[in-house]
Amino acid sequence: KQEVTQIPAALSVPEGENLVLNCSFTDSAIYNLQWFRQDPGKGLTSLLLIQSSQREQTSGRLNASLDKSSGRSTLYIAASQPGDSATYLCAVLNRAGTALIFGKGTTLSVSS
Amino acid sequence: DGGITQSPKYLFRKEGQNVTLSCEQNLNHDAMYWYRQDPGQGLRLIYYSQIVNDFQKGDIAEGYSVSREKKESFPLTVTSAQKNPTAFYLCASSITASGEKLFFGSGTQLSVL
Repeated sequence: KQEVTQIPAALSVPEGENLVLNCSFTDSAIYNLQWFRQDPGKGLTSLLLIQSSQREQTSGRLNASLDKSSGRSTLYIAASQPGDSATYLCAVLNRAGTALIFGKGTTLSVSS
Repeated sequence: DGGITQSPKYLFRKEGQNVTLSCEQNLNHDAMYWYRQDPGQGLRLIYYSQIVNDFQKGDIAEGYSVSREKKESFPLTVTSAQKNPTAFYLCASSITASGEKLFFGSGTQLSVL
């Protein structure tokens, strides 16, 4: 059974720092991996989607990488801002599945 | 604006009562999903539908029911058989069930009186 783990569970950084959020999964037979952002009491917003054949995706200050063989993905946030404060979740879609399996998320706090 | 609308934002359930959460999308997406989120936990799949008049159980379907009579609508009923219904419920949709980007509604917080 696919399991998705995110480390750390919480992270606090000062404004301007570059940071990395980690996601690992136990079954490398995935179709794709998505990173989401969730603000308190709100729904999720899709940030980046990486297909299994891709190594990375970039959007603005965000860069997500995927290493299927090691079962890992990282979300890199450059020059962090207080507005980046939120919970970040990763989710994988198994080749045999039809719905995403989520990690528990990393709650990021960026102080000004 | 295109998107997914969930209502109500807050819902309270009395003992033995069934309640229905609404989810409507105008994105013309075929696939729709219901997830449950507990504090500090990841999302867990309740039900999903790949096409109108078809739906499948997810990992935690017991105590829940759904219908998909229209492409735009995928309501979730929390029945009295669900003994621990307090949670944040999220509806989502995608173009198809083949791994495209997932779009989420703003969620419904269900609490037990």
